[in-house]
Amino acid sequence: GAVVSQHPSRVICKSGTSVKIECRSLDFQATTMFWYRQFPKQSLMLMATSNEGSKATYEQGVEKDKFLINHASLTLSTLTVTSAHPEDSSFYICSAAPGQGRYGYTFGSGTRLTVV
Amino acid sequence: RKEVEQDPGPFNVPEGATVAFNCTYSNSASQSFFWYRQDCRKEPKLLMSVYSSGNEDGRFTAQLNRASQYISLLIRDSKLSDSATYLCVVNLNNAGNNRKLIWGLGTSLAVNP
Repeated sequence: GAVVSQHPSRVICKSGTSVKIECRSLDFQATTMFWYRQFPKQSLMLMATSNEGSKATYEQGVEKDKFLINHASLTLSTLTVTSAHPEDSSFYICSAAPGQGRYGYTFGSGTRLTVV
Repeated sequence: RKEVEQDPGPFNVPEGATVAFNCTYSNSASQSFFWYRQDCRKEPKLLMSVYSSGNEDGRFTAQLNRASQYISLLIRDSKLSDSATYLCVVNLNNAGNNRKLIWGLGTSLAVNP
């Protein structure tokens, strides 16, 4: 159980365009989902906490107008990178967990974004 | 001081060796603890939770020392497939009862034939 699906797995886009990444919990409901970013040889960095039915909570230094999060249902959260630039190229991963993560979190397979 | 600190390695060990990873955390309010494994360019996958009494899952043993704020992972009889980065993760209870995962940078393990 506790499967999280993330799509797309890889995307290449032109500078200035927007990219939407979807994260779905397949076999459980997730009132909270987390969005991370990982640059090469660095640790996972939490970008924001996505809350179903309310505004996302962003970590310090993450621009909420650039990284739009929508969590309209208990099984789907989306992250939209708006006006992407090459420095936004990274590995974006979502995670969620039943039971508030007491037994660990499951991650989506990640989205490798390349902005050219 | 980093919130979760690990020796980055790399640890290069021969097949069959026993290897131990250590991790320290700074926030005594941390509530739960995990070891994740991450293969190159892949998402992290939960290896095991870490309980106060210590716990074992096959060749893997995890231990927690709350007084010293220290977590360990022991891998016995290393396999080639154990080569990966091992991430120490601490679950912190934020104000408002929101949980937040704090990640270590990871320890790189290479098991050699």
